[in-house]
Amino acid sequence: DAGITQSPRYKITETGRQVTLMCHQTWSHSYMFWYRQDLGHGLRLIYYSAAADITDKGEVPDGYVVSRSKTENFPLTLESATRSQTSVYFCASSAAGDGQETQYFGPGTRLLVL
Amino acid sequence: AQTVTQSQPEMSVQEAETVTLSCTYDTSESDYYLFWYKQPPSRQMILVIRQEAYKQQNATENRFSVNFQKAAKSFSLKISDSQLGDAAMYFCAYRSDPGANSKLTFGKGITLSVRP
Repeated sequence: DAGITQSPRYKITETGRQVTLMCHQTWSHSYMFWYRQDLGHGLRLIYYSAAADITDKGEVPDGYVVSRSKTENFPLTLESATRSQTSVYFCASSAAGDGQETQYFGPGTRLLVL
Repeated sequence: AQTVTQSQPEMSVQEAETVTLSCTYDTSESDYYLFWYKQPPSRQMILVIRQEAYKQQNATENRFSVNFQKAAKSFSLKISDSQLGDAAMYFCAYRSDPGANSKLTFGKGITLSVRP
């Protein structure tokens, strides 16, 4: 039971480079989410997706791009990384329908932008 | 917009004692869900307990229980018989009634330390 995985777990990049963080879930959950965690802010939603090919902005979407061509994958791309995007990134998923509202989180990706 | 407030940044408890972590929220909705997540040093987000707003009975999971006061918009977590493994950051989170916009809104978290 793989659940939800993220790759890479750690990433160091330079300002201006493009970076893609991967998220994969094996539950066939409809909903997937990307959060970032920073000191003093808790977790903030970047983007979310209700189903394949349906995505929407969260609280802090600027500088990020997502896609969801397959239900199980939800990659997050930083088109031109900035130092302010240094953070820990969490992917999460949840099923649809009543009683399925709990979100399950991946292990996180630590990103350092130099 | 919904907001979640955890006003205590840090708390400490003696092993085997009981501790209560506070959380308040603001919403105009009547149906929603509340959660407590634990984040140990590994950074993994682990669901501790959840509460449906339409249920009057407080949720309980082994040593973890909540005190849900809907009118006061308060959702505190009680940890009984604290163990060293309970040391972690705890986040309170809110989610609207299931729908297309089913995101979680998190508080800023509280760091719990357990003294042996």
